[in-house]
Amino acid sequence: AQSVTQLGSHVSVSEGALVLLRCNYSSSVPPYLFWYVQYPNQGLQLLLKYTTGATLVKGINGFEAEFKKSETSFHLTKPSAHMSDAAEYFCAVSGRDKIIFGKGTRLHILP
Amino acid sequence: GAVVSQHPSRVICKSGTSVKIECRSLDFQATTMFWYRQFPKQSLMLMATSNEGSKATYEQGVEKDKFLINHASLTLSTLTVTSAHPEDSSFYICSAKTTGRGNTIYFGEGSWLTVV
Repeated sequence: AQSVTQLGSHVSVSEGALVLLRCNYSSSVPPYLFWYVQYPNQGLQLLLKYTTGATLVKGINGFEAEFKKSETSFHLTKPSAHMSDAAEYFCAVSGRDKIIFGKGTRLHILP
Repeated sequence: GAVVSQHPSRVICKSGTSVKIECRSLDFQATTMFWYRQFPKQSLMLMATSNEGSKATYEQGVEKDKFLINHASLTLSTLTVTSAHPEDSSFYICSAKTTGRGNTIYFGEGSWLTVV
């Protein structure tokens, strides 16, 4: 079975500051890990994913995430926040079958 | 364009009627599709897993007779909400799983259902 915990339902950062959204997972099999972004009233857009190989994964819009097996974490980062990054972010885990989502983190960007 | 397309994006129906939502994978074949429901400001709740040519697997607590899922082809799955009630009003999102792209799951744009 798989599960995902996102720490912090709301995160606020200043424009230009580092973005860090935390995600911890549990999985009984080697996991596939994902980050999705959801803008208001829209569906989900894939930011990045980890399946196998390199543990530092680069995605769209300047985001990246690092898979740390020892910490069972897959935190999402971006060096410099932009106003357009304000959205809901979901971490997800898949054990080769269905995908399970965390509860989401709302990212607020302060001017 | 979107890899997975949902239609309609918004639908309003009367209480007691049925409404169908379509989910299509546009540039790949999806043997597995998933249906989620999302309440305002909440996460996505997996409703069911749809496998082409077989019956859907429903998550615990989801009424299979109310939420009919059909996956008749490798590019199309449908969700029919039968005898809709106002509490069925929600944002429904489908996703399709690829096999040739690292098992990535792509999501549709979602469908807003309002039951009046």
